[in-house]
Amino acid sequence: GAVVSQHPSRVICKSGTSVKIECRSLDFQATTMFWYRQFPKQSLMLMATSNEGSKATYEQGVEKDKFLINHASLTLSTLTVTSAHPEDSSFYICSAPKLAGALDTQYFGPGTRLTVL
Amino acid sequence: QKEVEQNSGPLSVPEGAIASLNCTYSDRGSQSFFWYRQYSGKSPELIMSIYSNGDKEDGRFTAQLNKASQYVSLLIRDSQPSDSATYLCAVKDSSASKIIFGSGTRLSIRP
Repeated sequence: GAVVSQHPSRVICKSGTSVKIECRSLDFQATTMFWYRQFPKQSLMLMATSNEGSKATYEQGVEKDKFLINHASLTLSTLTVTSAHPEDSSFYICSAPKLAGALDTQYFGPGTRLTVL
Repeated sequence: QKEVEQNSGPLSVPEGAIASLNCTYSDRGSQSFFWYRQYSGKSPELIMSIYSNGDKEDGRFTAQLNKASQYVSLLIRDSQPSDSATYLCAVKDSSASKIIFGSGTRLSIRP
């Protein structure tokens, strides 16, 4: 079964509004989660690493003031797209590493498709 | 810049044949390697993880790892039309908690 959930699965909003996406680890704790963006027919692009209890680490070129990340608990990270514009329309996916012994495996959420009108 | 390289394809394989997907990586210190399958419009789904040199088999899938050559591969036996998808090779960064993804190989199984 699913080990990482995301909500909502799909959102349509008007330009200028803010959209919050939630990512939850379902049966394990994740001190780190990852947020990706994927445009049609393109590869996954890592946006940022979400760290529980501390600031997120953003990849080069990702605007931290536009994509706000909050990792308030060991099972929940949120991504807020502020003042969304049509060019922010994309497929946003989170992932979380689940430990098995000393090794961890990344599991992905089902993704959130954002359409900004 | 740490990289993971894959042939973008498309790779076309007849139904019932073996599909062979390849990947090379630049981070010599990496210890964890993964193959994900992604259907169009869906998020990636983990197929295999491999951590030691050699082969690891799971059903119709076999992952192969050669750390000396910095090479990972995935074999799919008895290919089915439902195997048609993009396959992502992923390598855990040896100095950070993140995973580095290849751009994916698009596989098409023709009936």
